[in-house]
Amino acid sequence: DVKVTQSSRYLVKRTGEKVFLECVQDMDHENMFWYRQDPGLGLRLIYFSYDVKMKEKGDIPEGYSVSREKKERFSLILESASTNQTSMYLCASTYRGSGEAFFGQGTRLTVV
Amino acid sequence: SQQGEEDPQALSIQEGENATMNCSYKTSINNLQWYRQNSGRGLVHLILIRSNEREKHSGRLRVTLDTSKKSSSLLITASRAADTASYFCATENTGFQKLVFGTGTRLLVSP
Repeated sequence: DVKVTQSSRYLVKRTGEKVFLECVQDMDHENMFWYRQDPGLGLRLIYFSYDVKMKEKGDIPEGYSVSREKKERFSLILESASTNQTSMYLCASTYRGSGEAFFGQGTRLTVV
Repeated sequence: SQQGEEDPQALSIQEGENATMNCSYKTSINNLQWYRQNSGRGLVHLILIRSNEREKHSGRLRVTLDTSKKSSSLLITASRAADTASYFCATENTGFQKLVFGTGTRLLVSP
């Protein structure tokens, strides 16, 4: 069974902390994505990566950075967490040329 | 923002009725996809239609694509209570295969 695994389901962090969200896929997919989901706004793309060490900004990259040192792992970093980054974060991966995305279960992050 | 939009934002129907959701997008695409999300969970892929296709079927799902209008529709026939979920369209843009989602439609199917 194909799998995308996010490191935490729920996370509570303090304002100003550096936060790492990890995502691992076991399908040898080239493309990986980080989205945040907020009520009424759907899924908004933060960053995506189409290969190891390659990254592209999405629609809302401000306040975030990413790292992809290995093909199977894509990390989202909140450099200095703020309350407006409280959200559901979703990781996904796709095989180049296939299109269908596989999603992790999501991380609900609360910044207090 | 390149994010697409869906309408209606919310849809409430009775079991056995058909549900239709619409999606509009902004850029050139390789394909358009529909996903389902049960409350608080990750998304699950339902169906993909390529830019050179106009209609596709999968079980009780029917998807149409009009690239001249940059729009798509998802029809769920003979709805069941278990179809209650949020539905999202997503477009895979040309170039880097960036996957951009719409704002979603919340579907409630009452028994």
